[in-house]
Formats: sequence, C-alpha cells, structure tokens
Amino acid sequence: EIVLTQSPGTLSLSPGERATLSCRASQSVSSSFLAWYQQKPGQAPRLLIYGASNRATGIPDRFSGSGSGTDFTLTISRLEPEDFAVYYCQNYGMSRITFGQGTRLEIK
Amino acid sequence: EVQLLESGGGLVQPGGSLRLSCAASGFTFSSYSMSWVRQAPGKGLEWVSSIDGSGSVTFYADSVEGRFTISRDHSKNTVLLQLNSLRADDTAVYYCAKRTQGAAAGSDCWGQGTLVTVSS
Repeated sequence: EIVLTQSPGTLSLSPGERATLSCRASQSVSSSFLAWYQQKPGQAPRLLIYGASNRATGIPDRFSGSGSGTDFTLTISRLEPEDFAVYYCQNYGMSRITFGQGTRLEIK
Repeated sequence: EVQLLESGGGLVQPGGSLRLSCAASGFTFSSYSMSWVRQAPGKGLEWVSSIDGSGSVTFYADSVEGRFTISRDHSKNTVLLQLNSLRADDTAVYYCAKRTQGAAAGSDCWGQGTLVTVSS
C-alpha cells in the first residue's frame, strides 16, 4: 500500500505570502494519479489539482502543482484570505485510493 | 450542473446496518467511476470503496472489506453503499465522489456528505 506523507502538518503564513506544501509517497506513483484537495470546515473537499499539475475547473492560477515519482508539491503563489484551509494530497490508484494526512494552512 | 446528493445516514447501534445512497445528476452516470470517502470527526479523509462505470468492478479498503458493499443502480443514477456489522470506528461523514474523465485522475465532484454515527 502506498503511504502519502504530507509536510508540514501545519503551516502558518500571512495573506500575500507564498505557500509550499509537500506530499511524499512511500513508493513511486504515476503523476497521472496524484491530486490535491482543499477542505474548509463543514464542507466537502474540493479538487484543486489532478494529474499532479492540471488545475481543476474554476481553480485560480495562483494554485499550481508539480513533482514526479515520490515527491509532489502544491504551491499557492500569493495567499488570499479564503485559501486558509486544510489541504490533502491523494493517490488515485487503479484499485486503491490513498490520502495524505493533510496540511493545515493557518493565518499567522 | 453536476450534482451528487447523499442520503441514508443516521444513528445505528454497533453491529447494525445502514444503506447509503448517492443520487447523481448532470452527467452521463454510466461513464464514470464513483467512490465513497469518509471522514471521522476531526480526522482526515479515508477512502472506503470505488466502483467502475459499469458496476462490475469494485474495490474496498481493508478496513471495510467483507462488511461494506458498493453497487450502482443505473435506472436511478444512484450509487449505493451497504454498511453491515458497523463498529464505533465507522462513525464518520460519508461522501460520494465522481472520478474525473480521462487518464489524469481525481474526484472532481463531491456530495455534501451524510453522517453515520455508530453508538449504543
């Protein structure tokens, strides 16, 4: 089973700053299967990035994804107040889906 | 507009059963794999089960294998999750989610979730 480890657990930044979130896989994963989600309290997750670097419909271009193999990154170029939330990476495997434990992005 | 609407959650005693439904609209239902993902109170996301577009191929997390059954009703555009032998650690909000189209995978539409509470 592929384990995804996200770091840091909590990231404290100010609006306007750049956020870099990491997702490391226990073994190599296909970039096609790596996705990122944003979740706010009381809401369902929202797809941000799929296929490691493709922005989902309606996602602002300040969100970008990169990486391959075992190391993937979600970058938010300039934080807006609405970006403070929990972020999850996901490996959407052929027969099994796994999530990272999440990174909480909080206002500093 | 693509929409998913879950129902069927509630309070159930340990060892009991529930059936969750996810009504889909706004897309060609049989063309997409669907999944159930749950989230225990204050915890992260946990994949539960997936089913392919035809309904003939299913996958389960180890934690629910043999207790939960996923299926789909094409006449009603609905995905079902039968939960049996429920345990306290099955308590969670259960979301259904639709897979993206094409090789690059993700879940691009989620329902609002339905809460399952297992307690005596």
